[in-house]
Parts: sequence; C-alpha cells; structure tokens
Amino acid sequence: QMQLVQSGPEVKKPGTSVKVSCKTSGFTLSNSAVQWVRQARGQRLEWIGWVVARSDNTNNAQKFQGRVTFTRDMSTNTAHMELNSLTSEDTAVYYCAARACSSTSCLDGMDVWGQGTTVTVSS
Amino acid sequence: SSELTQPPSVSVSPGQTARITCSGDTLSKEYAYWYQQRPGQAPVMVIDKDSERPSGIPERFSGSSSGTIVTLTISGAQAEDEADYYCQSSDTSGRYVFFGGGTKLTVL
Repeated sequence: QMQLVQSGPEVKKPGTSVKVSCKTSGFTLSNSAVQWVRQARGQRLEWIGWVVARSDNTNNAQKFQGRVTFTRDMSTNTAHMELNSLTSEDTAVYYCAARACSSTSCLDGMDVWGQGTTVTVSS
Repeated sequence: SSELTQPPSVSVSPGQTARITCSGDTLSKEYAYWYQQRPGQAPVMVIDKDSERPSGIPERFSGSSSGTIVTLTISGAQAEDEADYYCQSSDTSGRYVFFGGGTKLTVL
C-alpha cells in the first residue's frame, strides 16, 4: 500500500525555520515527484512547490521564492521541505503529496497524500 | 491566468446529482484534477486527468471537460460525499500548480 508518512507537529518562534519530512512507504521516492501543499485553518489548499526526486529538479510558488528549500534523501526514501523566516501567517497544516513519474511527466496531479504536519508559529 | 474559479457551495438532497464546476483559462490546455477533503483529513484524489477515476473511487464520481470549464459530477450523492472539493491544474509550462478556491458540498 502506497503511503506517505510525515513528521510530527512543530511549534516555532517567528523568524525561525521549520523542516518537515515526508517518508514514502510501499513505493520508492526515486521515480516520483513530491509536491508540498499547505492549508491554514478554514482556508483553501495552497501550493508551495515540488521536487522531482530522480533529477533533484525543484520549483516553487512565487510567494515562497527565496524562503523555501526542497531536498530528498534517496537512501531513506524521504523528502524534506524547509521554510525560513517564519511568521504567524505560516501557521498551517503542511501536506506532502506524490505521484509516480510516467513516461512523459512527473507532475500529473497528486495521488498519494501524507497525513499532514501542523506547524504553529507563535511568539 | 493561473486562477481557477469554483462556486463556494453546492447543496443536494441524498440520491440527487451534484455538479461542481471549475473554470480557468489554462483548462483548455492542461489537465484538471479533483480532490475530496473531509473535515480534519488529507485530500484524496477523486478524478485524475479531467475524467479518469482512480482505483477505489466509487463509480458515482465522474469528471468532464469542455473548453475552459471542467465539471465534477456525483451521481446519486450520498451523505458520506459531504466534503470540500478542490480542482487543481497547472500553467502551460507544467511547472506551476494551482488550486481552485474549493466547493463545500452539502448533502441533506
């Protein structure tokens, strides 16, 4: 069974950084893309960015430019997202989601989702 | 434009057909995906590439596309279908992803 298991909840001070992990289970990271999405309480889903594991190619929404980093560790089948310079507006549930690469694309939707990681930014 | 527009809410009675639309300029060129999100849970893909139903998704869920509008149809909606539904697509480069604002489906 394909699953994504995310790291636990985080409480951070404004101005600091948070790193969220996402481990695959039942499939290997090497032939997948991992996307990151967040959702503030009561709000819509917001796309953050993606990493294509086999190429280490990444992209992110303009809103997060210069503030977010995506990495992956093939040896542990784990993807990571680090968000810097946190403010209270970054308080949200952060999801990773994955899709196996086809012959033509690695970015066709998100068919496996993690359980979500709650990040709270508060002084 | 990267904007996807959905109605904020749709209501149907049990057994009726629910239709949720999503409109956006890139939908005529790029695939759309639909996700169901129940309260407190992670999203689940219910429609892949405009109209394909992933394994395990009930047959009452279907998707269609016409020009710049895609539609999620739930034929014979059930109480368990009550959830938020989001459409998702990408820009024409395929590099930027965006979601619609979400539609709250009420079945009562």
